Amino acid sequence: NAGVTQTPKFQVLKTGQSMTLQCAQDMNHNSMYWYRQDPGMGLRLIYYSASEGTTDKGEVPNGYNVSRLNKREFSLRLESAAPSQTSVYFCASSDYSRGNNQPQHFGDGTRLSIL
Amino acid sequence: RKEVEQDPGPFNVPEGATVAFNCTYSNSASQSFFWYRQDCRKEPKLLMSVYSSGNEDGRFTAQLNRASQYISLLIRDSKLSDSATYLCVVNDGYNKLIFGAGTRLAVHP
Repeated sequence: NAGVTQTPKFQVLKTGQSMTLQCAQDMNHNSMYWYRQDPGMGLRLIYYSASEGTTDKGEVPNGYNVSRLNKREFSLRLESAAPSQTSVYFCASSDYSRGNNQPQHFGDGTRLSIL
Repeated sequence: RKEVEQDPGPFNVPEGATVAFNCTYSNSASQSFFWYRQDCRKEPKLLMSVYSSGNEDGRFTAQLNRASQYISLLIRDSKLSDSATYLCVVNDGYNKLIFGAGTRLAVHP
């Protein structure tokens, strides 16, 4: 059971480079989320997609873009990476079509360092 | 004020001890509540949902007090493998979850 799959698991970038973090889920969930987690802090929502075809900003969207490619896939793009974006990025999914009491399921995370 | 507040700990307890974590939340519209567990440098994993009537899963008991906007997690007979960070999580009344920064638990022999 794959659940939520994130690629890559690790990445080192130079300031100004761009990259896309990939996320796919095989649970037929309608909602998907991107978070970042910094040392000593809770998860902060970057962007989310409540359903296929929609995306919305979360708490910390600046410097990021997202694409909900289809129901399974939700990618996060850094157009011009900055050292402040060094973090662990988690993708999650949930099935809110079943109600607001559904938990989210997380991928393994992508550890991103920007030099 | 943070939307979800937890004591960061660490709570250092011996094996076999009972330990309790508390959490407060600010959004009275929150409808669903969870405890997640996060091991070092790993993804958060759902430990248990929290229901209004309280619920138990083995050694773990969760309680919710909506009037005080307070959630608790009790762990009985602590094991070494319980060492982790415990995240209190509430929804925003719609389809987003708000995560606390976590309470760190260290169980020692």
